[in-house]
Amino acid sequence: NAGVTQTPKFQVLKTGQSMTLQCAQDMNHNSMYWYRQDPGMGLRLIYYSASEGTTDKGEVPNGYNVSRLNKREFSLRLESAAPSQTSVYFCASSELAGGRALDEQYFGPGTRLTVT
Amino acid sequence: KQEVTQIPAALSVPEGENLVLNCSFTDSAIYNLQWFRQDPGKGLTSLLLIQSSQREQTSGRLNASLDKSSGRSTLYIAASQPGDSATYLCAVLYSSASKIIFGSGTRLSIRP
Repeated sequence: NAGVTQTPKFQVLKTGQSMTLQCAQDMNHNSMYWYRQDPGMGLRLIYYSASEGTTDKGEVPNGYNVSRLNKREFSLRLESAAPSQTSVYFCASSELAGGRALDEQYFGPGTRLTVT
Repeated sequence: KQEVTQIPAALSVPEGENLVLNCSFTDSAIYNLQWFRQDPGKGLTSLLLIQSSQREQTSGRLNASLDKSSGRSTLYIAASQPGDSATYLCAVLYSSASKIIFGSGTRLSIRP
């Protein structure tokens, strides 16, 4: 099993450009998440999807959109990139039980995005 | 506001020492708490998950404890090795939320 995979690993964008970060998991998990990690700030949740067909905002959703394409895939889109979105982006997945994430979260290797 | 705090931000100890990393949270109504390890330039690897009904979990040289009443968790690393050098993050799932809140991590360096 590959676990959680993310593409691309690195990306440089100019301000105003758009791009989509891809994430896929092969563990048959219901729940998927997108985080950003900035120095000294830990991980902050951008969006999550509790199950296929549903998405919800996290702590820092502004400037992002997501799509839960199917149970395996959860993409994050930046419509008009800004320098403040320079960060490392992590996708994660977990199993849901009773509507809450009880089990461990499994993380992808991350995408390092620079917006100039 | 539900927050998770890890102090210190960085720690350096000589090889072989036993050490404790701290995590505190502001609301005792948690569902579970998870400790992660992150190597430079890599993703997060889950180390231990403690459910709210548990007081500790052990895996090899690692032991994580949970004290909900005081809002604290500790990660104990026995007989530290240079390979333990990494950033350690704790993450809390609060009962009132369906998302996890992370601390900013403790960067651990084990000196040979």
